[in-house]
Formats: sequence, C-alpha cells, structure tokens
Amino acid sequence: DSGVTQTPKHLITATGQRVTLRCSPRSGDLSVYWYQQSLDQGLQFLIQYYNGEERAKGNILERFSAQQFPDLHSELNLSSLELGDSALYFCASSITPGTGGSGNTIYFGEGSWLTVV
Amino acid sequence: GQQLNQSPQSMFIQEGEDVSMNCTSSSIFNTWLWYKQDPGEGPVLLIALYKAGELTSNGRLTAQFGITRKDSFLNISASIPSDVGIYFCAGRASSGSARQLTFGSGTQLTVLP
Repeated sequence: DSGVTQTPKHLITATGQRVTLRCSPRSGDLSVYWYQQSLDQGLQFLIQYYNGEERAKGNILERFSAQQFPDLHSELNLSSLELGDSALYFCASSITPGTGGSGNTIYFGEGSWLTVV
Repeated sequence: GQQLNQSPQSMFIQEGEDVSMNCTSSSIFNTWLWYKQDPGEGPVLLIALYKAGELTSNGRLTAQFGITRKDSFLNISASIPSDVGIYFCAGRASSGSARQLTFGSGTQLTVLP
C-alpha cells in the first residue's frame, strides 16, 4: 500500500459526460501528480500541483482540469468525454515538488479505471 | 523533450534465471526510479537512485545509476513466478523548467516455470 488513495476504482460512463476522479496523497506529501495510462500510450504525465498551486502541465487536454484543495487532496475533472479517454488514471504524490533528492520520489495510487461507452 | 529508451521491450525467461533491463536517456538525469506494475494496479516503487554510480539493492533486485548520468539498469536475480509484470524506469532531468519524471515504455517480463 503506497498510501495514495484514489476513488473511484472503476467508472463507466457515456460519451459527452463529465466525471471527477479523487485523490488523497500520502500523509505529509505536498505534491500531487496525475497520469494517464492507456494501452498504446504508456504513462503520460497530465498535471502536477504543489501545496495547492499548479506546478507543471503535461499532455492535459483542455477538456480536463484539476485542482488541489487546502487539505491537499486533489480532483481531476474530465468533461465532454470521448471514447479515446478510456484509460487508467493514476494519482501520485511526493514530498517535494521535484527539486531534487529523495523527496522527489513519487508514489502511485492504484488508479481509477475509466471506461467511456 | 527528453527521450528515454527502455530495453528490452519484453522478456521470456525460465524460473531461476537472472534478468537485466536498462534505460538510456538523451539528457543528464539526477534521479532514476524503477517501478513494477501488475495488471490493473498502480506502479510500485522498487528502487530509487539519486547519485551517479549509486548501486542499490532491494532483495533480489539491484539497480545502478550510470556514471554518465544518462543510463540505469535493473537486475533481478534468481527470478520467480511473482516477478511477472511490467517494469518501468523513470528519470528526472537535472535541469530544465519542466522537471517531470519521464517514463520508459516498460519491459514486460514473463517467467516460465
């Protein structure tokens, strides 16, 4: 158990709908990352937050957004869903925002399986 | 962007054999991480490396941070059936504005009885 908690574990929804994925980081971790993993794309970095502020953006679509709340949990919002959005969405956390050293190490949650039909 | 090449893409080995996989990058890294992912699960951290030349073991697993800071390898000794899974390397560049982890494409390991 990495200590990173994600809900829901599985989600099936229709095209055009909107879903919210939730993540609680490890205790003491200030940085949260979201990744998307699909069969043909591997692990793709979406976005990072550190202590409530957006820190870095990766390949995140405009239809997707995220935020980190004062209690450090994070939500990833996916809207106008398309079939191609079906994937495993992982949250990960680390102590530091990526400035070096062991605090950099990120720990992954078990993921949220999203199926868009 | 950073390029990270992981090889081999897949391996079929007999139980008891040793395994070696590696990653090379186009950039100098300050961190190398090795993860294992089982189907439908999140990647689990196996070994973290933070200094060039560092050699770290975790049970039957050994990983090294290459001296050039552009490569890393993972060795698994005396493989067992539960070693089956996908192994990912990940690295973080030592400079640049987007110091995000870059992941390799993974090595699918199959252990035959």
